[in-house]
Amino acid sequence: AQSVTQLDSQVPVFEEAPVELRCNYSSSVSVYLFWYVQYPNQGLQLLLKYLSGSTLVKGINGFEAEFNKSQTSFHLRKPSVHISDTAEYFCAVSASYTGTASKLTFGTGTRLQVTL
Amino acid sequence: DGGITQSPKYLFRKEGQNVTLSCEQNLNHDAMYWYRQDPGQGLRLIYYSQIVNDFQKGDIAEGYSVSREKKESFPLTVTSAQKNPTAFYLCASSLGQNQETQYFGPGTRLLVL
Repeated sequence: AQSVTQLDSQVPVFEEAPVELRCNYSSSVSVYLFWYVQYPNQGLQLLLKYLSGSTLVKGINGFEAEFNKSQTSFHLRKPSVHISDTAEYFCAVSASYTGTASKLTFGTGTRLQVTL
Repeated sequence: DGGITQSPKYLFRKEGQNVTLSCEQNLNHDAMYWYRQDPGQGLRLIYYSQIVNDFQKGDIAEGYSVSREKKESFPLTVTSAQKNPTAFYLCASSLGQNQETQYFGPGTRLLVL
């Protein structure tokens, strides 16, 4: 089984400042990793995902994340945030089997609050 | 436009009542999923289906039931056995391979009267 820990439930940041949202995972098998964003009262939208290859993954809206296998982490970063980035961010993991539907395990989410 | 629709947006349930949440997709995806979202707990998998006429329990299936008679539709019934049904319910779909992105619907908020 897999598990995901998002240590920060809330991250306040000023507009145009950099931000890092932390995600650590636990798994006995190889994994795929995902970051999703959720705006108020809406569904989730994929920001980026790591499947294999380069450990630095670039996503939409200027976000990027780095997979660190030794530290079992997949932290999300953005060099300069905007007010519109205010949302809930979820890290998720799935086991890297093939041929089956993905059972995602989600973290508890981090609320990013961007202020002027 | 391709996507996932969920209805209704808000649903009210009385004690002892079964209610059904609708989920439809026109993405031609094989796999569909139901998640429950509670504040501070993230998303938890209720049921998932990889193909028509087949579905598996997720982590919190008790008190819920599903059917998958058509590829496009995956309705979720919240039965009277679910004692704490108040939550935000999200439906998702994917092509079916585990590395594929899951696409989410807008959600249904279920409240108990």
